Amino acid sequence: DTAVSQTPKYLVTQMGNDKSIKCEQNLGHDTMYWYKQDSKKFLKIMFSYNNKELIINETVPNRFSPKSPDKAHLNLHINSLELGDSAVYFCASSQEISRGYTFGSGTRLTVV
Amino acid sequence: RKEVEQDPGPFNVPEGATVAFNCTYSNSASQSFFWYRQDCRKEPKLLMSVYSSGNEDGRFTAQLNRASQYISLLIRDSKLSDSATYLCVVSLQGAQKLVFGQGTRLTINP
Repeated sequence: DTAVSQTPKYLVTQMGNDKSIKCEQNLGHDTMYWYKQDSKKFLKIMFSYNNKELIINETVPNRFSPKSPDKAHLNLHINSLELGDSAVYFCASSQEISRGYTFGSGTRLTVV
Repeated sequence: RKEVEQDPGPFNVPEGATVAFNCTYSNSASQSFFWYRQDCRKEPKLLMSVYSSGNEDGRFTAQLNRASQYISLLIRDSKLSDSATYLCVVSLQGAQKLVFGQGTRLTINP
């Protein structure tokens, strides 16, 4: 029944590793997003896909690569993890921006 | 200048009090406005949209002042369960994304 689900919920990994976070939504929304929430609690957009097409790519290191196999799924792969990548990553979806987003429960990434 | 600015608080108020938050946004082309609520270690959840005419949902009232580019949220008869961080959120026309303020942390004390 979960509308937007992310896995894993927690991820602890060493510097230099490569990891992926997965997101799925069953709301039938056309647009999906990745946001990063850092230790100061700012939520910043990273990427957005509309119906599998990349529409927003903010200034994010190219170690981060999103992929959308279909409009219900948006994954985030991170290469060569760095300490500064530690944050909570939220997936979200929307049908119309005027109605706001529905967020997933977040993935807490800790790089050690 | 940040696109959306909020007083981070914290605000500590007694149960039953009325509390108000303001938020300012920098881009006059902003089109949609929201308040989200985020509990500790949880995802943000939509509290209410904000309309130009102002709108109310139970104990919560939101106002938008386009001329001054600020948004407000009023909580009446506050409950312990209102303790959370309140995020002011705007979208730009055609931007297809939401921009979040830093959030205002509210604690309701018994």
